Formats: sequence, structure tokens, C-alpha cells
Amino acid sequence: DAKTTQPTSMDCAEGRAANLPCNHSTISGNEYVYWYRQIHSQGPQYIIHGLKNNETNEMASLIITEDRKSSTLILPHATLRDTAVYYCIVRVDKIIFGKGTRLHILP
Amino acid sequence: DTGVSQNPRHKITKRGQNVTFRCDPISEHNRLYWYRQTLGQGPEFLTYFQNEAQLEKSRLLSDRFSAERPKGSFSTLEIQRTEQGDSAMYLCASSPLWPGSTDTQYFGPGTRLTVL
Repeated sequence: DAKTTQPTSMDCAEGRAANLPCNHSTISGNEYVYWYRQIHSQGPQYIIHGLKNNETNEMASLIITEDRKSSTLILPHATLRDTAVYYCIVRVDKIIFGKGTRLHILP
Repeated sequence: DTGVSQNPRHKITKRGQNVTFRCDPISEHNRLYWYRQTLGQGPEFLTYFQNEAQLEKSRLLSDRFSAERPKGSFSTLEIQRTEQGDSAMYLCASSPLWPGSTDTQYFGPGTRLTVL
């Protein structure tokens, strides 16, 4: 079973920051937090990952709480192309996907 | 394009037929994963290879399923005597495994199988 809990769906206005929460209260010390997204009918796309420090790349920022029991993925300026299912995953090797959060970007 | 490629992208077959899918990973990625995704669900792990060795198989991988990676490069997934329940998207992912890497998996576009 997936070790993460995410809201089923979220809405965000175009141009605003999208903040997607994830709970992973049973995360182990050697497990990374990964985020992927899946646009309809495509393969999952890697977004970002982190262990305990906050991370930022060209796509998003990842904020991990100090106790590592939760994290937030931030898309700084959401566009319509960011409409997708976003998966938060904690893992060492193989990925166990949950149901993810369906993010709707509203024009 | 240097990403993971999968062929065919779509396959329609009749129940009872055998099908084979191919995955070409990113060059020099030594880990290769197979997943299956049914409608409305997240992808489910099937199996993975490190180079040519198959290291883990999910209990979802019944005896009708076989995966190979003969030379540690491309991989094939074969389903024998297909059933309607095999209809799904079959996803392949690859990742590097060398000192300092974190085994980030990169996915291909998938092969959508429809069993009539």
C-alpha cells in the first residue's frame, strides 16, 4: 500500500501558486519523497524529490517539514498545462503509487 | 529524443492471443521497471531489472506474464493467452544506478493494450 495521503482533488487559478500537500507520517529515515505527475494518457513525469532539505528546480519547489512527516509541492505559477494527477511517493526502490491529487487549473 | 521509448503505443488483440511489448530505456540506465495502470488507478509495480538480472517480481505478474532484458539494454514484456482483465496501460521506466544517484525513474509513454 502507498504510504502517503493526498487530497483527491484541488483547484487552482491560472497564474497563481498551486500548493499540493502530502502526508507521510510513517516515512523511514532512508526514504526519499518523490513527486510525479501524469497528464491524461501519458506516462508519469518526474517533477522533484528530496530527503530532508527543501528542494527547487525549474518545475517546482518541494517543502519538507522538519519531522519529515509531511511535504508540499509548490508550482509557482500554474498554467493550464499543469492540469494533471500529482503523485506523492516515499520510496527507496520500486514506486508504489497511490491515487494522487487531481489538480484542475482554472482559467 | 533520448527518453524512454515503448512500442507499440497501442495494441488491440483478441482474447487468447499472445502479445509482446518492447521498452528501450534511456542509454546507460541500468535499472528498468515495468508497471501496469488500469483506468482511474495509479500505476502498479510489476517487475524490475538491474542490467540483465530480474531482481523482483510482483505477485501481480502471473505465470502468463514474462519479462526479459537479455543484454541489459531493451526489455520485452510478453503476455500469453491474454484475458480481458489484462486490458491496461503498460508503462516502462528506467533509472541510473551509480554511486551518488538516487534511482530516479523516468517513464516512457506506455503501451495501451485492449483485449477484446
